[in-house]
Amino acid sequence: GQQLNQSPQSMFIQEGEDVSMNCTSSSIFNTWLWYKQDPGEGPVLLIALYKAGELTSNGRLTAQFGITRKDSFLNISASIPSDVGIYFCAGHVSNFGNEKLTFGTGTRLTIIP
Amino acid sequence: EAQVTQNPRYLITVTGKKLTVTCSQNMNHEYMSWYRQDPGLGLRQIYYSMNVEVTDKGDVPEGYKVSRKEKRNFPLILESPSPNQTSLYFCASWEGGSGYTFGSGTRLTVV
Repeated sequence: GQQLNQSPQSMFIQEGEDVSMNCTSSSIFNTWLWYKQDPGEGPVLLIALYKAGELTSNGRLTAQFGITRKDSFLNISASIPSDVGIYFCAGHVSNFGNEKLTFGTGTRLTIIP
Repeated sequence: EAQVTQNPRYLITVTGKKLTVTCSQNMNHEYMSWYRQDPGLGLRQIYYSMNVEVTDKGDVPEGYKVSRKEKRNFPLILESPSPNQTSLYFCASWEGGSGYTFGSGTRLTVV
C-alpha cells in the first residue's frame, strides 16, 4: 500500500522553539489531516485541511494543504513540553465507500530541557 | 462521551492460539476500520467496514478476519497468530470531515 513521505523522522528542540514538519505524496488527496499521538494512546486529530492552498490554524499550530494536493506542512510555534509526541500526516481519499487514510511514517518530537 | 473502546489494551499470546480484539463505538458511525502501527511504517489499514455486514480488505489483511454483526462493534480476529503480527493495533470510526476517532490501542505480542 501507498505511504506518505514525512520528514523529519525526529526532532530534538528546546522549549520555546518553533517546529516545522512536512509530508509529500505521489498521489493526490482530497483531504489532509494532521494527528498527534501521545505514548500509550491512539492518534488525536489536530487539524483537517479540505481545499488546495488552504492555510488553517489551531492555536499555536498552523497547517497548509499544498496547491498540488500532494503535500502539506505543519508548524508549531513556541513549543511547550506537552507538544512532545509523534505527529502523523494523513491523506484521505474516499474510494468506493472506503474512507481510507494513508499515513506518513511520523515525526517524533522531543523537547530538550 | 464519544469514544472508541478497544479491549484488551495489552495481550501476550503464543503462536497459533486464536484471539479476538474487541472494538466498540458509541457514536452510531457506519464506517469503522482497523489499523496496525509498526515502527518506521506508520499506520496501515487492515480491514474496514462501511456498515453492518459489509466488510472489505485494506492494505494488509493477511492473517486477519473481521465481522460486523451490529453497528457499534467491529472485532478483529486472528485465527492463528504468528510473530509477525506482533504490533500495535488501532480501531477507528469515521466522523466524516473530521477524520477518524481512534481507540487507545491494543499492544499484541505473539511469541
